[in-house]
Amino acid sequence: AQSVAQPEDQVNVAEGNPLTVKCTYSVSGNPYLFWYVQYPNRGLQFLLKYITGDNLVKGSYGFEAEFNKSQTSFHLKKPSALVSDSALYFCAVSLGFSGGYNKLIFGAGTRLAVHP
Amino acid sequence: EAGVTQFPSHSVIEKGQTVTLRCDPISGHDNLYWYRRVMGKEIKFLLHFVKESKQDESGMPNNRFLAERTGGTYSTLKVQPAELEDSGVYFCASSSLLAGNYEQYFGPGTRLTVT
Repeated sequence: AQSVAQPEDQVNVAEGNPLTVKCTYSVSGNPYLFWYVQYPNRGLQFLLKYITGDNLVKGSYGFEAEFNKSQTSFHLKKPSALVSDSALYFCAVSLGFSGGYNKLIFGAGTRLAVHP
Repeated sequence: EAGVTQFPSHSVIEKGQTVTLRCDPISGHDNLYWYRRVMGKEIKFLLHFVKESKQDESGMPNNRFLAERTGGTYSTLKVQPAELEDSGVYFCASSSLLAGNYEQYFGPGTRLTVT
């Protein structure tokens, strides 16, 4: 079965330190991978995606993620965390993109808390 | 450009009652998706419209859930009768049919509480 795992319910990091939010996936075929962020009382906002090409993708707000096919991982990273990065982060995988349609499978989410 | 909007933001109903959630996608987006997050778990796909047609409703939990998208604009998701396990946050998302556009734009969600 297709699935996405985010092994950490919460990640705590001090402001200015690097952060990593982990994501692994299990899908057949070549995955399309996404990260979304949800701030309080807001909808999910798109951060970045991997479709093909360079394994390191850069996204909004200084975030980046590295696609690792052998480890089936797509960890989200940022070199220097900000308090304003505190939010709920979701990793998602698409089963493919055909005719403009890509149903997303999400992980359970990881709450990132950045402390001053 | 207005984003995806959802109404209401929060609904509290009793078991056995009916609730209708509404989603207005971004103008011009033919793809419309419904997702649900229950009890802090993963966000799960419910169904997908292309314009007014249901393309995939494999995620709908049972026949108490009915989704419509008349005219291919806004969509409604009706739960009748509601059960306790239906509580959660219901998200709507939309995307363009243009080739190469993989990004889905999400609304703020409707928090449904069934008591």
